[in-house]
Amino acid sequence: GENVEQHPSTLSVQEGDSAVIKCTYSDSASNYFPWYKQELGKGPQLIIDIRSNVGEKKDQRIAVTLNKTAKHFSLHITETQPEDSAVYFCAARDTGFQKLVFGTGTRLLVSP
Amino acid sequence: GAVVSQHPSRVICKSGTSVKIECRSLDFQATTMFWYRQFPKQSLMLMATSNEGSKATYEQGVEKDKFLINHASLTLSTLTVTSAHPEDSSFYICSARGELGYNEQFFGPGTRLTVL
Repeated sequence: GENVEQHPSTLSVQEGDSAVIKCTYSDSASNYFPWYKQELGKGPQLIIDIRSNVGEKKDQRIAVTLNKTAKHFSLHITETQPEDSAVYFCAARDTGFQKLVFGTGTRLLVSP
Repeated sequence: GAVVSQHPSRVICKSGTSVKIECRSLDFQATTMFWYRQFPKQSLMLMATSNEGSKATYEQGVEKDKFLINHASLTLSTLTVTSAHPEDSSFYICSARGELGYNEQFFGPGTRLTVL
């Protein structure tokens, strides 16, 4: 089955810096890759996603890139703000079971 | 994005009692709903997948008689934790997926269950 690895587990940046979180997946059949932001005590919030027929997608300060050959995808946050502090999860979904497999999460801390 | 609600947000119960958690998709029809469990500082663990009108599919290791799931309509799914014990204390999160767009999956706000 699918296995998703996520790095780093924690990331501390200064306000205004960029943050990059990387994930790798194992199943080449996976074709959908969402990113979720989870604040303390809340459910995950979908912030951006990408499909396997696209290499890059951007939405204001966040972007996601996908390298199908290497089977890895990354989340890029520019001009970070303290309110970006949260846990971020990547996930992969295959065409077969249609279930999301999550990474282990990255705790992002943006210091003012 | 689409909105998924969950009720209650927090529940405290005594050991041996049953607790029901409701999950609703507010502005879309959810053909598939998922129930997750999350321990502190850990990732989401899928418990079961349910499709409207059919029996839920449980992940390996999840007791179907303990965690009863009912997907009664395209907007409502319930999780009942039967004969709860302290080890069932956790953060339970539902998720819903519709048929529009690219089948994005949206999460509810979660329910914090504490069993005394």
